[in-house]
Amino acid sequence: AQTVTQSQPEMSVQEAETVTLSCTYDTSESDYYLFWYKQPPSRQMILVIRQEAYKQQNATENRFSVNFQKAAKSFSLKISDSQLGDAAMYFCAYRSGYGGSQGNLIFGKGTKLSVKP
Amino acid sequence: DAGVTQSPTHLIKTRGQHVTLRCSPISGHKSVSWYQQVLGQGPQFIFQYYEKEERGRGNFPDRFSARQFPNYSSELNVNALLLGDSALYLCASSGQGASTEAFFGQGTRLTVV
Repeated sequence: AQTVTQSQPEMSVQEAETVTLSCTYDTSESDYYLFWYKQPPSRQMILVIRQEAYKQQNATENRFSVNFQKAAKSFSLKISDSQLGDAAMYFCAYRSGYGGSQGNLIFGKGTKLSVKP
Repeated sequence: DAGVTQSPTHLIKTRGQHVTLRCSPISGHKSVSWYQQVLGQGPQFIFQYYEKEERGRGNFPDRFSARQFPNYSSELNVNALLLGDSALYLCASSGQGASTEAFFGQGTRLTVV
């Protein structure tokens, strides 16, 4: 079974600085997708960034980028120029690329990010 | 366009009761998934439905059931509620394929007393 591990329960960053959130996963599959979701106090999960396992290039979305190390099964999220609105819970998630389990996201326990003004 | 809508937003039930949670997916999305998020944890997969058929089931007891209607909306039912069922229940809708984004609703906060 696939597992996702986030080893940092809480992180803190100064506004305008850069922070990296860690995520490791375990799988024997070769076709899969990795995601970072943000969950603010409003509770709604919002997709931050997505990475396809078959792509070697790291995904980037504005201030958010990932460091995808497939062999090490590591998928960290870097937030540059942190803003107060980035404060939230961040969840790393895995989805198999194989039929039958499509739609089944496996989440880590999350990292609570605080942004200091 | 409306996003994923869930109702009710909050609910308080007594142990042993039954509860029904509802979800309306984004227009055009045929896949609906349900997740349970206990306080301080990541969401855990309960069910996935696609085209009204169950496509996946997580490790939850038979007290949990779900269905999807012809308009692709979905219901999650929980019987014989336990205190441990207190959680945020999230619904997500998506298009076809593992690469497509799952859009989440704001959830239903269920408290069992």
